[in-house]
Amino acid sequence: EAAVTQSPRNKVAVTGGKVTLSCNQTNNHNNMYWYRQDTGHGLRLIHYSYGAGSTEKGDIPDGYKASRPSQENFSLILELATPSQTSVYFCASGVLGNAEQFFGPGTRLTVL
Amino acid sequence: GQGVEQPDNLMSVEGTFARVNCTYSTSGFNGLSWYQQREGHAPVFLSYVVLDGLKDSGHFSTFLSRSNGYSYLLLTELQIKDSASYLCAVRAYNYAQGLTFGLGTRVSVFP
Repeated sequence: EAAVTQSPRNKVAVTGGKVTLSCNQTNNHNNMYWYRQDTGHGLRLIHYSYGAGSTEKGDIPDGYKASRPSQENFSLILELATPSQTSVYFCASGVLGNAEQFFGPGTRLTVL
Repeated sequence: GQGVEQPDNLMSVEGTFARVNCTYSTSGFNGLSWYQQREGHAPVFLSYVVLDGLKDSGHFSTFLSRSNGYSYLLLTELQIKDSASYLCAVRAYNYAQGLTFGLGTRVSVFP
């Protein structure tokens, strides 16, 4: 069974603080993705990765960095968190060419 | 660029059917996926279509017309537990870039 886990599941941060969201997958998938989901906007792609050591900008990368140190792990980093980054963040993995993506349970981030 | 449009809400009755429509515009198309998302949970993959026509997967079917930029998800023999949001997502030619999602259609099934 495909498995994508995220930590933390909930996070409250202060404006200007640094936030790191972590994602781990045991699917051995090459591609990993970070999305955020907001009412009125749906799921939007922030960053993605083709494999260990690679990160690419998605549709809304401003204010976010990503890190893929290994096949299994993909992190999303907010260096200077802002209230506009309050959202639910989903990590997903998929095999290149496969339109089926496996999503993690999500992280609810609140920036005060 | 890409745009994916879906109706916001759809109501139906248990034991009947519901058809969730999706229209898209894209500079490059390489297939369309449907996901189910229950409140407070992650999206779960249902189906992927890339060729025109109807694809039957039992409890649900998916249809695609590439020339019209249109797809639908047909849920049959509805159960209360089918109440959820259904997301349409388009894959670009550079499919490693991920998916472009619609806002989702909230389907409510009533007894």
